[in-house]
Amino acid sequence: DAKTTQPPSMDCAEGRAANLPCNHSTISGNEYVYWYRQIHSQGPQYIIHGLKNNETNEMASLIITEDRKSSTLILPHATLRDTAVYYCIVRVGEGSGGSNYKLTFGKGTLLTVNP
Amino acid sequence: DSGVTQTPKHLITATGQRVTLRCSPRSGDLSVYWYQQSLDQGLQFLIQYYNGEERAKGNILERFSAQQFPDLHSELNLSSLELGDSALYFCASSVGGRHNSPLHFGNGTRLTVT
Repeated sequence: DAKTTQPPSMDCAEGRAANLPCNHSTISGNEYVYWYRQIHSQGPQYIIHGLKNNETNEMASLIITEDRKSSTLILPHATLRDTAVYYCIVRVGEGSGGSNYKLTFGKGTLLTVNP
Repeated sequence: DSGVTQTPKHLITATGQRVTLRCSPRSGDLSVYWYQQSLDQGLQFLIQYYNGEERAKGNILERFSAQQFPDLHSELNLSSLELGDSALYFCASSVGGRHNSPLHFGNGTRLTVT
């Protein structure tokens, strides 16, 4: 799996958009970008994933650059409950064959939402 | 609620003992993954099963073993426990096969070895 680089920490004001960057310059053509978050000692929570197009769901938006070497997770209106460690992970799609579809977690970005 | 159920939530045991952690995947999910999270190591992949068969192994110690049963629930067995095995153990499930589905995690079992 390609490695990702994220800033160790970020701050955001409550109600503002939180933009979390991720670099994945060695991503392969069949690798997806996944975002998870972990709120203190709870299980990691799936947020969103994408291959090359921008994606949006009820939680967040994922913007992937055209060359796919970086992406940004956007939480449009951050709340105090969004304070968590956010992980950006790249992984091959399960339809690509093989069996190693594990997620490899790095250190992530600690997002602190301030009142 | 992710739909993945892990029991027990907390487990306290002594060194040298053996414990079993249980995971029930989301309905319809065939793949189960086990992860360990300790303070100094972050989330580490241990092992994956798909429809009862082992598919991938990570940094799983020989003292640890796992299996996935015909009803698709999985158990992680930890034996000859050491103080360093104290950690959060997470199970995750996904549809698996050729579906590009994300993993969904349970809320973990906190193991304390004294």
